[in-house]
Amino acid sequence: GQQLNQSPQSMFIQEGEDVSMNCTSSSIFNTWLWYKQEPGEGPVLLIALYKAGELTSNGRLTAQFGITRKDSFLNISASIPSDVGIYFCAGPQGGSEKLVFGKGTKLTVNP
Amino acid sequence: DTGVSQNPRHKITKRGQNVTFRCDPISEHNRLYWYRQTLGQGPEFLTYFQNEAQLEKSRLLSDRFSAERPKGSFSTLEIQRTEQGDSAMYLCASSYWARGNEKLFFGSGTQLSVL
Repeated sequence: GQQLNQSPQSMFIQEGEDVSMNCTSSSIFNTWLWYKQEPGEGPVLLIALYKAGELTSNGRLTAQFGITRKDSFLNISASIPSDVGIYFCAGPQGGSEKLVFGKGTKLTVNP
Repeated sequence: DTGVSQNPRHKITKRGQNVTFRCDPISEHNRLYWYRQTLGQGPEFLTYFQNEAQLEKSRLLSDRFSAERPKGSFSTLEIQRTEQGDSAMYLCASSYWARGNEKLFFGSGTQLSVL
């Protein structure tokens, strides 16, 4: 099946720094979703992208749908301690209507 | 409506016992999904329903697993004769599915530990 590869696997940053992470696939996706998960909780939807080249913001978060439709990027500006968590990309698996997830990027923010 | 609700939040059981989890989706959502997540991994699809019909099951879902959504509202996931490898977070999600609207909203999960 399709795999989503996220990088980096983990990041350790100082409060106030900007963060960039990405998600790639060998297959084309028509939708990209970004979720955040905190310990002991389910994933929470952050941003949804539906069109190649689309750039969408949600507060300090900005995500882009890559023009090849095989990748997506998430940026967090001016990080704060509550940004800590695991960020997952997801998309509907080709020919199916279920979401496949990457393995996540774990973000640690030092105050 | 406050979102997707899952019960219990935590379950500890002995190997060989049966367990059942419940999920109450967002009320206007027509689709309900079950995912499983282990440490260091993203959620993995198990099965989903549209209304009361179970439309797809993953090969991850062995014969010991069964899911129901009898009236198209809440769903239950039962694991029979639990094994230690079943230890995981079981996540339920719901959506109002339409082409181009694949957003899933997750509950807080049920953390299962099989001793």
